[in-house]
Amino acid sequence: KAGVTQTPRYLIKTRGQQVTLSCSPISGHRSVSWYQQTPGQGLQFLFEYFSETQRNKGNFPGRFSGRQFSNSRSEMNVSTLELGDSALYLCASSIAGAGRLYGYTFGSGTRLTVV
Amino acid sequence: DQQVKQNSPSLSVQEGRISILNCDYTNSMFDYFLWYKKYPAEGPTFLISISSIKDKNEDGRFTVFLNKSAKHLSLHIVPSQPGDSAVYFCAASEIGNEKLTFGTGTRLTIIP
Repeated sequence: KAGVTQTPRYLIKTRGQQVTLSCSPISGHRSVSWYQQTPGQGLQFLFEYFSETQRNKGNFPGRFSGRQFSNSRSEMNVSTLELGDSALYLCASSIAGAGRLYGYTFGSGTRLTVV
Repeated sequence: DQQVKQNSPSLSVQEGRISILNCDYTNSMFDYFLWYKKYPAEGPTFLISISSIKDKNEDGRFTVFLNKSAKHLSLHIVPSQPGDSAVYFCAASEIGNEKLTFGTGTRLTIIP
């Protein structure tokens, strides 16, 4: 069965621009979470969606937003990019309520570089 | 405020021996703990989890131990294999919350 698919794999953007990242979860998984990984801060939770509703949000500025569609696919958007937004962005999916027991399946991530 | 800590940034172990990775936490509301393995340029891969009502969980070569009073958990890998060389993250979640709080990771190197 297909895993979690994130597109694009790599992205280079200029400061001040905005970017949209996409995540297709495993079929049947309705919970989608996003994480940011940087060398200094490690893996940090951004937000989690279930049935098109944001259920949890991490401590990130409002420039970071996301959404989930009826087919469970999710997108995250970062506006007014800053150099510090350069990171690996990871998406994870799970069967609702089961991720903590059976694990969340992560995609390979999108590497965003802001110049 | 680092709620989940992995104090050893790196660990080297001889092939065939036991690898022990440690993790400490401070948040008493955590009720599930997970271990992930990560290779470069890939997303983390789930290994094993444990509920706070248990003190041990096994899956093949992987065993996780939880000491709630000490707020400490450890992952044992026996026997260690070269393919186990990766960065290992422990993570925790609060009751009723899908958010994972990750530790900073421990790079495990298995020496042939």
